[in-house]
Amino acid sequence: ELKVEQNPLFLSMQEGKNYTIYCNYSTTSDRLYWYRQDPGKSLESLFVLLSNGAVKQEGRLMASLDTKARLSTLHITAAVHDLSATYFCAVDWRDNNDMRFGAGTSLTVKP
Amino acid sequence: NAGVTQTPKFRVLKTGQSMTLLCAQDMNHEYMYWYRQDPGMGLRLIHYSVGEGTTAKGEVPDGYNVSRLKKQNFLLGLESAAPSQTSVYFCASSRRTYGYTFGSGTRLTVV
Repeated sequence: ELKVEQNPLFLSMQEGKNYTIYCNYSTTSDRLYWYRQDPGKSLESLFVLLSNGAVKQEGRLMASLDTKARLSTLHITAAVHDLSATYFCAVDWRDNNDMRFGAGTSLTVKP
Repeated sequence: NAGVTQTPKFRVLKTGQSMTLLCAQDMNHEYMYWYRQDPGMGLRLIHYSVGEGTTAKGEVPDGYNVSRLKKQNFLLGLESAAPSQTSVYFCASSRRTYGYTFGSGTRLTVV
């Protein structure tokens, strides 16, 4: 059974600060996703990481994947209020043809 | 291009009532999924389909049934609704697990 763990679950940041969200998973996978969800909204795809060592950046967000450690990180640089949302990682579980989600990290960026 | 469309967006049911949630996609995707989202638990897979006429159980299938009679549609049925099925339901589709496209969600309350 694939387990996906995110931490922290809640994160309150000051604007301008940096922080990292961690995503650990329990079985072999080489495909990991990050999604953003605003309150009451659907999920928006942020990054798709397809191989060990993959790194992708979009604005103030950078995601990386270490398949050997079964770890992905989402790094936030110089946070701004607009980044306040819930962030989910999800891991491709090929044995089951589906994708399993972490519990989500609720991020609040305060001025 | 509508993407993934879910109907209805909101529904209140009484315990024991039945209903069907409809998901339609116009991207010619083979794979379709139904997830439920509950606070603090991320998204959990209910059922999924890897092609027209096929369905399979996910993590939390009990109390739900699905059908995929046409490639573009994936229906989720609740035969006898229970308060534990109060949740937000998301449909998603993909060509394979190369990132999912999510619908806007259905907020279901069972009283």
